[in-house]
Amino acid sequence: DTEVTQTPKHLVMGMTNKKSLKCEQHMGHRAMYWYKQKAKKPPELMFVYSYEKLSINESVPSRFSPECPNSSLLNLHLHALQPEDSALYLCASSQPLRGSNQPQHFGDGTRLSIL
Amino acid sequence: GQNIDQPTEMTATEGAIVQINCTYQTSGFNGLFWYQQHAGEAPTFLSYNVLDGLEEKGRFSSFLSRSKGYSYLLLKELQMKDSASYLCAVRDGFGGYNKLIFGAGTRLAVHP
Repeated sequence: DTEVTQTPKHLVMGMTNKKSLKCEQHMGHRAMYWYKQKAKKPPELMFVYSYEKLSINESVPSRFSPECPNSSLLNLHLHALQPEDSALYLCASSQPLRGSNQPQHFGDGTRLSIL
Repeated sequence: GQNIDQPTEMTATEGAIVQINCTYQTSGFNGLFWYQQHAGEAPTFLSYNVLDGLEEKGRFSSFLSRSKGYSYLLLKELQMKDSASYLCAVRDGFGGYNKLIFGAGTRLAVHP
């Protein structure tokens, strides 16, 4: 069992739907991340929140909208997605200290399929 | 540019030792992480190096040479459950907190 919980585990949606992915951690981490991972590829960073503020957006299309309601929760709102957005979406959390050896802890991900 | 190279696939025998290499060229460097990822599961943290040398953690060891832009992960006494992808990730020292750049991963298959 991981300490970062993501829901749902699987999601199938049409291109006109609006849905949200949720992530929760109770490790007291103040940095949270969204990654996209295609099959047999490494995770690609999408967004970083530090102390509930968006600090990195890796030029992600606006059809993906992140939200950090509090220090334990991270959402990813999805709207008008394309078939190529089908992937595993991973959430991670860590301490935000730049020089720290603290690793990022990953959730099990949400497997998203766009019809 | 950012470039992290690992072999795509490796095979090894149960009980043996395997070394997975990683070379990197990144604009910044603030540590190197190794993660294990089983198919369909979350990456799990294995080791961290920021200074040159060897870090040992049970059956797993990781080595770093910053001057050579090189790291390896050493797995001893291989078990079938070690069959997984192994991801090398460099923490970029610039551009934000704890930003990781991942290599493509090495898929390790352990055979009896």
